[in-house]
Amino acid sequence: QKEVEQDPGPLSVPEGAIVSLNCTYSNSAFQYFMWYRQYSRKGPELLMYTYSSGNKEDGRFTAQVDKSSKYISLFIRDSQPSDSATYLCALIIQGAQKLVFGQGTRLTINP
Amino acid sequence: NAGVMQNPRHLVRRRGQEARLRCSPMKGHSHVYWYRQLPEEGLKFMVYLQKENIIDESGMPKERFSAEFPKEGPSILRIQQVVRGDSAAYFCASSHLRDRNNSPLHFGNGTRLTVT
Repeated sequence: QKEVEQDPGPLSVPEGAIVSLNCTYSNSAFQYFMWYRQYSRKGPELLMYTYSSGNKEDGRFTAQVDKSSKYISLFIRDSQPSDSATYLCALIIQGAQKLVFGQGTRLTINP
Repeated sequence: NAGVMQNPRHLVRRRGQEARLRCSPMKGHSHVYWYRQLPEEGLKFMVYLQKENIIDESGMPKERFSAEFPKEGPSILRIQQVVRGDSAAYFCASSHLRDRNNSPLHFGNGTRLTVT
């Protein structure tokens, strides 16, 4: 069983739709949760970073963490074609040195 | 991503040759991480280095792969006697020790290695 499971998609939605991206994990020691966006031929760029259970909002993006269910989500409101990219969840154990990534979900927003 | 510089962006090697990938971390960052991304897969941790020290190399293949981060100059990921299975995108990331838990990794744009 992978430490972090993420549906690879691809996911295709019309412009303006609400997008929901999800990851599940098995190790309760994960304490920090991140979402990265990766455009084709580019490196991952940090979108959201959370520590505690609950919601964190930044513009059109909301990150949600449910530690009891070991489930994290990223919501994108009013999706734009420029949001088309691969989204990767990444988790880290406090004090550890390395991020553990999900497989990434390829998202396409259709104009 | 402009802060972490990786070169070359693309590298083509024939089987058996050596590949050297370079990474200059963001200014002020003294911690470097190397990740590998195979097609249609997420990033896999390879190695974590501080200046002149390898801290965690648990993700490095036991043979042919090595990494260093000298006191002066960029971090180097070296792959000897490359095979086709080494073809991948190799990403470098950096962080500042004080911010490690509060400021996640910043990635470069990667080196795409193709072994022919």
